[in-house]
Amino acid sequence: GAVVSQHPSWVICKSGTSVKIECRSLDFQATTMFWYRQFPKQSLMLMATSNEGSKATYEQGVEKDKFLINHASLTLSTLTVTSAHPEDSSFYICSARAGGGGPDTQYFGPGTRLTVL
Amino acid sequence: LAKTTQPISMDSYEGQEVNITCSHNNIATNDYITWYQQFPSQGPRFIIQGYKTKVTNEVASLFIPADRKSSTLSLPRVSLSDTAVYYCLVGTDNNAGNMLTFGGGTRLMVKP
Repeated sequence: GAVVSQHPSWVICKSGTSVKIECRSLDFQATTMFWYRQFPKQSLMLMATSNEGSKATYEQGVEKDKFLINHASLTLSTLTVTSAHPEDSSFYICSARAGGGGPDTQYFGPGTRLTVL
Repeated sequence: LAKTTQPISMDSYEGQEVNITCSHNNIATNDYITWYQQFPSQGPRFIIQGYKTKVTNEVASLFIPADRKSSTLSLPRVSLSDTAVYYCLVGTDNNAGNMLTFGGGTRLMVKP
């Protein structure tokens, strides 16, 4: 149980285009999903927290107009990188919180490798 | 948020037991300790979670002293496939958003 999927697993796009990444919790409902970015040889950096049916909460320094997050259902959150540039190339990982009222266990997706040319 | 400190890297050999210690001096009363494993180009994978004393599952053990200011992840008889980055996190589910912050992690290299 507690499986999180991401689609696509990798994407290459031209500078200036927009890219949408999907995150799904396959066997549980996730009221909260999180989006991380990871650069090579670095740790995961939280970008935003996504709550179903409400606006996402962005971490300091993350542009909300550039990284659009939609959490339309309890099993799906999407991250859209708008007008992507080469510096947005990174490994994007989502996670979903399972359960509630207990320890914070997050289950992570396999990640999406974005390369902007 | 409780900050964690881990060794940057560790080397081991196949068949050995590996112990990775994490310091979290300002852990809060409600915080749990969670360890994740990450392979290159993959998302982190949950290994084990505990609050105090000792927790054991099919892949690892977690030792937490009484003061909870540190914890040790123990991997018995590692294999080459255990080469990965291991992250120690502390946090709690209090509906206040994401209480898990990733530190630098420990890069474990298992050699034949």
